[in-house]
Amino acid sequence: GENVEQHPSTLSVQEGDSAVIKCTYSDSASNYFPWYKQELGKRPQLIIDIRSNVGEKKDQRIAVTLNKTAKHFSLHITETQPEDSAVYFCAARQASGSARQLTFGSGTQLTVLP
Amino acid sequence: DAGITQSPRHKVTETGTPVTLRCHQTENHRYMYWYRQDPGHGLRLIHYSYGVKDTDKGEVSDGYSVSRSKTEDFLLTLESATSSQTSVYFCAITPSGGVDTQYFGPGTRLTVL
Repeated sequence: GENVEQHPSTLSVQEGDSAVIKCTYSDSASNYFPWYKQELGKRPQLIIDIRSNVGEKKDQRIAVTLNKTAKHFSLHITETQPEDSAVYFCAARQASGSARQLTFGSGTQLTVLP
Repeated sequence: DAGITQSPRHKVTETGTPVTLRCHQTENHRYMYWYRQDPGHGLRLIHYSYGVKDTDKGEVSDGYSVSRSKTEDFLLTLESATSSQTSVYFCAITPSGGVDTQYFGPGTRLTVL
């Protein structure tokens, strides 16, 4: 099955700086890669996603890049703000199999320091 | 919030007792999932369903069973709870219509003493 590794596990940045979180996946057939943000005590919320036919996607201060050859994808947050502090999870969906299963990375705790 | 509710939201129980968690959705979604979330492990899939009475095992299914007798409800049962099943449990759905995204319910915090 699919295996997703996420790094770093913790990340601290100064407000206004950029943050980058990286994930690698094992199944070259995976074709959908969402990112979720989870605030303390809350449910994971989708913030951005990318499909394998696209190399980059942006939404305001957030961007995701995908390198299919190297089987890795990254989340980029620019001009970080204190409200960006949360745990971020990447995930990958295998093209094969039923029910559109996602495999998640282990999460990155992002802290934005004022 | 994709019309997903979970009940109970918090539960404390003792080792060896049966526990059932309920996920309820109001928008007729076909795909439903149960995850557990533990520190350092992210979200791990327990079981999933692709229709009424159609379910299958995920990555960490041992000690859990599920049932889906109607579209709107997906039940997760711990037949005999153990302390290792102390966790936060999230239900999720994938909307119908070719969408890939999963949306999560509010979660249930389960403590097994």
